[in-house]
Amino acid sequence: GAVVSQHPSWVICKSGTSVKIECRSLDFQATTMFWYRQFPKQSLMLMATSNEGSKATYEQGVEKDKFLINHASLTLSTLTVTSAHPEDSSFYICSASYGGETQYFGPGTRLLVL
Amino acid sequence: RKEVEQDPGPFNVPEGATVAFNCTYSNSASQSFFWYRQDCRKEPKLLMSVYSSGNEDGRFTAQLNRASQYISLLIRDSKLSDSATYLCVVNMGGGGNKLTFGTGTQLKVEL
Repeated sequence: GAVVSQHPSWVICKSGTSVKIECRSLDFQATTMFWYRQFPKQSLMLMATSNEGSKATYEQGVEKDKFLINHASLTLSTLTVTSAHPEDSSFYICSASYGGETQYFGPGTRLLVL
Repeated sequence: RKEVEQDPGPFNVPEGATVAFNCTYSNSASQSFFWYRQDCRKEPKLLMSVYSSGNEDGRFTAQLNRASQYISLLIRDSKLSDSATYLCVVNMGGGGNKLTFGTGTQLKVEL
């Protein structure tokens, strides 16, 4: 149980385009979803926390207008990287929770912006 | 000072060896502690929670020292399949159940 999927698993795009990443909880209702980013040889950095039906809470230094998060249902959250640039190339990972502190991680999405 | 600090390694050990990883955290009000395992290009997976009384799961033993703000992970009888990066993770409180990750310690178990 507690499976989280992400789509796509990898994406290559041109600079200036927008990329949408989906995070789904497959067998539970996720009241909270978290979005992380991980650069090579660095730790996972929390970007934002999203609760179903409300606006996401962004961590300091994360631009909310650049990283749009929508959590429209209890099983789906999306992260849109708008006007992506090469420095946005990273490993984006979501996690989901149904209350409590246990987070179930998705398999991640590798983004490469050319 | 980093919020969660780990020695990045790599730790290269022969199969069957015992290896220990340490981690320190900066916030004394931190509430809960975990070790995660991350394989190359994969998502992190929970290995075990860490309790003040210490806890053991098979070959893995985790310890927490709140006074020193220090967490450890001991792996006995290392297997080739233990090769991975081990992440020290802390819930620092403050609401929202947010997790703070260390950069990880890389373990390579060799024949």
